[in-house]
Amino acid sequence: GDSVTQKEGLVTLTEGLPVMLNCTYQTIYSNAFLFWYVHYLNESPRLLLKSSTDNKRTEHQGFHATLHKSSSSFHLQKSSAQLSDSALYYCALSGGYAQGLTFGLGTRVSVFP
Amino acid sequence: EAAVTQSPRSKVAVTGGKVTLSCHQTNNHDYMYWYRQDTGHGLRLIHYSYVADSTEKGDIPDGYKASRPSQENFSLILELASLSQTAVYFCASSPAGGSQNTLYFGAGTRLSVL
Repeated sequence: GDSVTQKEGLVTLTEGLPVMLNCTYQTIYSNAFLFWYVHYLNESPRLLLKSSTDNKRTEHQGFHATLHKSSSSFHLQKSSAQLSDSALYYCALSGGYAQGLTFGLGTRVSVFP
Repeated sequence: EAAVTQSPRSKVAVTGGKVTLSCHQTNNHDYMYWYRQDTGHGLRLIHYSYVADSTEKGDIPDGYKASRPSQENFSLILELASLSQTAVYFCASSPAGGSQNTLYFGAGTRLSVL
């Protein structure tokens, strides 16, 4: 079945430094969509960005990710982390029809002054 | 903006008791989902539904039942709650099936089974 791997469980960094969260996946579907969801404390998880186009950079709210089908990766990056970026980030995959998303374990990001 | 409302927001239940978690959406979405969130496991799909009066099993359905009496409402039922079902439960809806589907989540229900 589908699977998503997020290597880092916790990322701590200083405000202003770049951040990269790793996401790799496995699926049999050639047209799968990859997503990043962000979950702030006491809020609902919400979509940050998504893509199904190989080698195309997708950006939203200062974050960006590029889907690389050759390496089955969809890493999330930001050039300068802010305190407000502290949250739980999920990478997710959608391959089959109607069956919802397959999520990774999540990466908790803590940004310090 | 999609609106998905879950109730209750938190609940304490006794082992062996029955628990019903409710979800209501006001965005006219056909698809609804129940996920559970656990540290170390991420979000895992329990049940989903793409039409009223029909539900489908997700990846971890054991110990859970689901009910979709209308397009707007989707419930998760724990007939005999167990300690291992302590978790945060999220309901989500989406406008359609297909791989480009965006999920809109509720705020979650924190369930503690004692």
